[in-house]
Amino acid sequence: GAVVSQHPSWVICKSGTSVKIECRSLDFQATTMFWYRQFPKQSLMLMATSNEGSKATYEQGVEKDKFLINHASLTLSTLTVTSAHPEDSSFYICSARWETNTEAFFGQGTRLTVV
Amino acid sequence: LAKTTQPISMDSYEGQEVNITCSHNNIATNDYITWYQQFPSQGPRFIIQGYKTKVTNEVASLFIPADRKSSTLSLPRVSLSDTAVYYCLVGDLLYSSASKIIFGSGTRLSIRP
Repeated sequence: GAVVSQHPSWVICKSGTSVKIECRSLDFQATTMFWYRQFPKQSLMLMATSNEGSKATYEQGVEKDKFLINHASLTLSTLTVTSAHPEDSSFYICSARWETNTEAFFGQGTRLTVV
Repeated sequence: LAKTTQPISMDSYEGQEVNITCSHNNIATNDYITWYQQFPSQGPRFIIQGYKTKVTNEVASLFIPADRKSSTLSLPRVSLSDTAVYYCLVGDLLYSSASKIIFGSGTRLSIRP
């Protein structure tokens, strides 16, 4: 199957700093990318949907000024957690799809710990 | 988006067949049924997808009755490595790549020796 790669796999940052997470589709062009966050023992929660070259669509309750999403190319989307706080510590997962495909491919996830 | 209902958890033993049922009473005509598997600290992995009747691949089978209001994921002869969370998703994925993929609560499957 197609490969989606996230970087970094884990990151620790100080409270108040910003962290950028990259999501790349390695062998296909992703028309749409999705960002999720997952807390321990819970399901994945969709944060936003992004299409290449356009602004991301955020789910209700997700602060777009805090979670900046950029989908500048068909193979790269980034999520920047700005002014991170301990409550932002979570597992962040991206997924990507291409047009006409019914399957979404997921990255391996990024564990963010804010101290 | 069709809401899905799955058992919160299931236990089984190595070598057994495991069937996980998902209810999706409000499934729409264009909706596909997709199952994902997730191990701790990893992203979900696609298992199987179907629209109606039965679909089988090297990993699992998916049974969908005629009314499509439920589906059953069947894992033959499970092993310890099948311990994971299994998610049933229903959505209109065929006609738009921007269709949202919303996860339900999933079923935590535990396999014992």
